[in-house]
Amino acid sequence: AQSVTQLDSHVSVSEGTPVLLRCNYSSSYSPSLFWYVQHPNKGLQLLLKYTSAATLVKGINGFEAEFKKSETSFHLTKPSAHMSDAAEYFCVVSDLYNFNKFYFGSGTKLNVKP
Amino acid sequence: DADVTQTPRNRITKTGKRIMLECSQTKGHDRMYWYRQDPGLGLQLIYYSFDVKDINKGEISDGYSVSRQAQAKFSLSLESAIPNQTALYFCATSDFARDEQFFGPGTRLTVL
Repeated sequence: AQSVTQLDSHVSVSEGTPVLLRCNYSSSYSPSLFWYVQHPNKGLQLLLKYTSAATLVKGINGFEAEFKKSETSFHLTKPSAHMSDAAEYFCVVSDLYNFNKFYFGSGTKLNVKP
Repeated sequence: DADVTQTPRNRITKTGKRIMLECSQTKGHDRMYWYRQDPGLGLQLIYYSFDVKDINKGEISDGYSVSRQAQAKFSLSLESAIPNQTALYFCATSDFARDEQFFGPGTRLTVL
């Protein structure tokens, strides 16, 4: 079975400092992995996705994530946080052999301090 | 215009009432999904449909039913609403060629 664990429910950073949101996955085979962002009172927007091509994936708004099979991790990073990055972030694994069903992590709320 | 729309965006209702949430999409996707979001739990799959004649239960389907009226429309019903169904509900779509799902703006439902 597929599953995702987001290791931090809340992360707080100062504007201009790096962001690290941690995600570990469990999968019996090479997974498809995603990061989605949800701004307050908004729907979910795709940040980036990994589908077995390059292990370093670049997304929108300066975010990137690195797939590390040996560590079963897919951490999301950004070199310099902006106030507009404050949102909730979800790590998601897709089950290729179960109709591409999505399994969501519990989310990480990112707070950006001025 | 938004590709995935949900109506209503907000709804307050009373215990025991029947409620329908509607989802429409203009993306031409075959696959549609209903999720609920509760604080600290991420999104949980309620039902999904791969075409008009295909309906499948997700992890938390009890107390819910769905109808796929057309490729572009997928409705979620709460037959007799209860307070623990208070949540944010999302509709999503995808096509078979891509993993990615596209989400609507959500419906905030409160059951008193």
